[in-house]
Amino acid sequence: DAKTTQPPSMDCAEGRAANLPCNHSTISGNEYVYWYRQIHSQGPQYIIHGLKNNETNEMASLIITEDRKSSTLILPHATLRDTAVYYCIVRVDDKIIFGKGTRLHILP
Amino acid sequence: EAGVVQSPRYKIIEKKQPVAFWCNPISGHNTLYWYRQNLGQGPELLIRYENEEAVDDSQLPKDRFSAERLKGVDSTLKIQPAELGDSAVYLCASSQSPGPEAFFGQGTRLTVV
Repeated sequence: DAKTTQPPSMDCAEGRAANLPCNHSTISGNEYVYWYRQIHSQGPQYIIHGLKNNETNEMASLIITEDRKSSTLILPHATLRDTAVYYCIVRVDDKIIFGKGTRLHILP
Repeated sequence: EAGVVQSPRYKIIEKKQPVAFWCNPISGHNTLYWYRQNLGQGPELLIRYENEEAVDDSQLPKDRFSAERLKGVDSTLKIQPAELGDSAVYLCASSQSPGPEAFFGQGTRLTVV
């Protein structure tokens, strides 16, 4: 499985867009990019995934660069409830391997 | 619909004692995962089941850890004997394969004293 690199922590003001970057320079052509988040004392929660095209759902948007070596998760209007650790994962099958993620702090 | 249910939520045991964790996945989900999460770290995959078969147990410390998935539904993870270093949160997840989304339980927090 390809490895991912994420900043250990980020701050974002409440109501602003939170942009979380992820590098996955060794991603293979058939590997998807997934994002999960983990709020304190809870299990991880799926957010979104994509292969090549940008994706959007009710929670977030995923922007994948054309060469697929990096991606950005966008939370359009961050709230205090978005404070969590965000994990970027690349996978091709059902094996889900987590890194250390990015701890996102939403500032009031 | 109920999510992934794990029990107990918390467990405190003395070292060298056995301990077991139980997981009830979402109905119809054929893939089941057990993870261990140490403080400040991401979850570490211990074992993955497809129905009743353990398809990936390469990270499971087999000298003291064991797992089973009865009839391809519920699963139990056991540690015998427990060591101080086993203190962690043990997470169970399930998914419907093929499918993108895995659903996680709230975990069992184990403290070994």
